[in-house]
Amino acid sequence: ILNVEQSPQSLHVQEGDSTNFTCSFPSSNFYALHWYRWETAKSPEALFVMTLNGDEKKKGRISATLNTKEGYSYLYIKGSQPEDSATYLCAFMVYAGNNRKLIWGLGTSLAVNP
Amino acid sequence: AAGVIQSPRHLIKEKRETATLKCYPIPRHDTVYWYQQGPGQDPQFLISFYEKMQSDKGSIPDRFSAQQFSDYHSELNMSSLELGDSALYFCASSLALREGLWETQYFGPGTRLLVL
Repeated sequence: ILNVEQSPQSLHVQEGDSTNFTCSFPSSNFYALHWYRWETAKSPEALFVMTLNGDEKKKGRISATLNTKEGYSYLYIKGSQPEDSATYLCAFMVYAGNNRKLIWGLGTSLAVNP
Repeated sequence: AAGVIQSPRHLIKEKRETATLKCYPIPRHDTVYWYQQGPGQDPQFLISFYEKMQSDKGSIPDRFSAQQFSDYHSELNMSSLELGDSALYFCASSLALREGLWETQYFGPGTRLLVL
């Protein structure tokens, strides 16, 4: 059974704090890992697609790393701002033949207090 | 920039009724995915279409069917609705995977279905 786990489930930080959270996924048959940012009342927004072991991606104050051998990815937010408050979802892409789909984690809910 | 459009945004139905949800992908996107998210749950993949053909099937109940049309829009048809079908239904679109290009799914705003 393919399972994607994210921790912590929720996080409360003060404005200006840096924070990070984890996505764990099956290390076998790795294809790609996606990170999405999901604000309340909006649809998920794609942040990163990571495919290679050791990948590091950055988008503004948000960055992510990938370790496919041990099956985890970290998402870092530097100097959190209230507008960073959202649920951060990771999704593991499985690929079989011509079919591919995303297996989703439950997300980490981040609240940044001003 | 154009985004994924879903209609309707909200829908209220009674048990045993039918519902049709529509999804209009980003222009030039040829792949459509449907997800169901129940209250307090993670999104569950239902079904996907590539070039008007079903490409993958997830946890879609037999009471549901879907198709992708020649203009690439997709419709999710839900019959004999049950209370447990109340959920947020997301549609996502992407461009088919080709060499060196890894697909990202772009999500629509969702259709919130309430079955009474």
